[in-house]
Amino acid sequence: DGGITQSPKYLFRKEGQNVTLSCEQNLNHDAMYWYRQDPGQGLRLIYYSQIVNDFQKGDIAEGYSVSREKKESFPLTVTSAQKNPTAFYLCASSIEAARTNEKLFFGSGTQLSVL
Amino acid sequence: QKEVEQNSGPLSVPEGAIASLNCTYSDRGSQSFFWYRQYSGKSPELIMSIYSNGDKEDGRFTAQLNKASQYVSLLIRDSQPSDSATYLCAVASLNSGYSTLTFGKGTMLLVSP
Repeated sequence: DGGITQSPKYLFRKEGQNVTLSCEQNLNHDAMYWYRQDPGQGLRLIYYSQIVNDFQKGDIAEGYSVSREKKESFPLTVTSAQKNPTAFYLCASSIEAARTNEKLFFGSGTQLSVL
Repeated sequence: QKEVEQNSGPLSVPEGAIASLNCTYSDRGSQSFFWYRQYSGKSPELIMSIYSNGDKEDGRFTAQLNKASQYVSLLIRDSQPSDSATYLCAVASLNSGYSTLTFGKGTMLLVSP
């Protein structure tokens, strides 16, 4: 089945630690996105990527980093500079990012908590 | 900063009633509009998209768009307890050639049996 796989489902971070959230898709989509969701809040865009080896900052990129070495993979690293990382992280993809009518397909999410 | 506003709710309706969810947006250049349903602890799922002024119907769902008023709404007819969820309004705009979605905070809908 085609889809987006996020792992792990739950992740705990110790203070000062960097952690990486995995996102893999087999939909052959060009565009991939990372969103953060806090309780009772909407989704806020962290980073997005249209093609391999290219990505753009979203609205809340500080304290995060990404890479796009393969079309299928878009991992997100939450660095120690992100002081309030506890949130639900969602990875999404679309066929391409150049058209506004493209639908987003979401992974099942990763809940990150601070120990 | 592009903004999408929704009433946080909860909106409570009895089973079988019509639920009306509203959304306003700030960017007049927005081109596409989406409604996502999100159950607690789950990822959002797309239920409706609308691109031009007017109404768009899909089963029990009707999306309405008024670009002049910068307003989009979702009507759910014959509401069922399984419709109880948070409904996210999302607005797509082009930014330096790339389309990104801005989400509202969502409206929680509670349908009582």
